[in-house]
Amino acid sequence: GAVVSQHPSWVICKSGTSVKIECRSLDFQATTMFWYRQFPKQSLMLMATSNEGSKATYEQGVEKDKFLINHASLTLSTLTVTSAHPEDSSFYICSAREALREQYFGPGTRLTVT
Amino acid sequence: GQQLNQSPQSMFIQEGEDVSMNCTSSSIFNTWLWYKQDPGEGPVLLIALYKAGELTSNGRLTAQFGITRKDSFLNISASIPSDVGIYFCAGHLLSSGSARQLTFGSGTQLTVLP
Repeated sequence: GAVVSQHPSWVICKSGTSVKIECRSLDFQATTMFWYRQFPKQSLMLMATSNEGSKATYEQGVEKDKFLINHASLTLSTLTVTSAHPEDSSFYICSAREALREQYFGPGTRLTVT
Repeated sequence: GQQLNQSPQSMFIQEGEDVSMNCTSSSIFNTWLWYKQDPGEGPVLLIALYKAGELTSNGRLTAQFGITRKDSFLNISASIPSDVGIYFCAGHLLSSGSARQLTFGSGTQLTVLP
C-alpha cells in the first residue's frame, strides 16, 4: 500500500514553455500533498503544501505564479512550471499523506529546460 | 533553513560491515523518520519512530528516537551492495503543529565496496 506515482518521469522542454507534472496517490486518499525540488547532491527542499480543495501554501522564496499547484481531488495534484527557464531544471518530487499518517514519496520527475 | 544536522556526509564501507549514521538538532522533534533514496528515484520510508527512546528494527536496519527528542540514529548491519544510496533523516518538529511538514537532514551517501 501507500503508492504514489508521478508522470512524466522525465521531461525536456524549451525555455519559455510550460510543463505540467502529475502526482497521484494510487491506493489511498491524499488529503495533503507536498511538492519538493532537489538539486544534485542536495537534500529535498519543500516548495509547497496543498490540501485537497484548497489553495497551496508556498514556502518562502517560491514563486506561486511560476509554480502553479492544483490539488483538485483526493488522488491527484499537479505542478505546472510556467515559462520555464534553464535554472528551473531540477528533480521534482511529490509526496502525499492521508490525514495525519506519514508521507509517501513519488519516484520524481527530472525536468530539463533547454 | 536547515534544522537537522546529519552525519557523516558520506561513507565508504566494505561489504559485510556495519554502518551507523545520525541526526541531531537543537529543536525538539515528535517524529523521526529515516528514508533511503536511490539515484533518480524518490525517497522510500525505511523506519518511523514516534516515541522518545523508541528502538525499532526493520530487517538489518535499526533506528532509535533519542531520549532528548533532539536526535536519532540509524544502524545498518552486515551491509550488502544494494544498501548503496543516500539516507535521509527527517522529522516533524514539535513546533510544526498540525501542519506536520517534514524537515530533512542533508543526507548520508553510502557506498558499499565489494
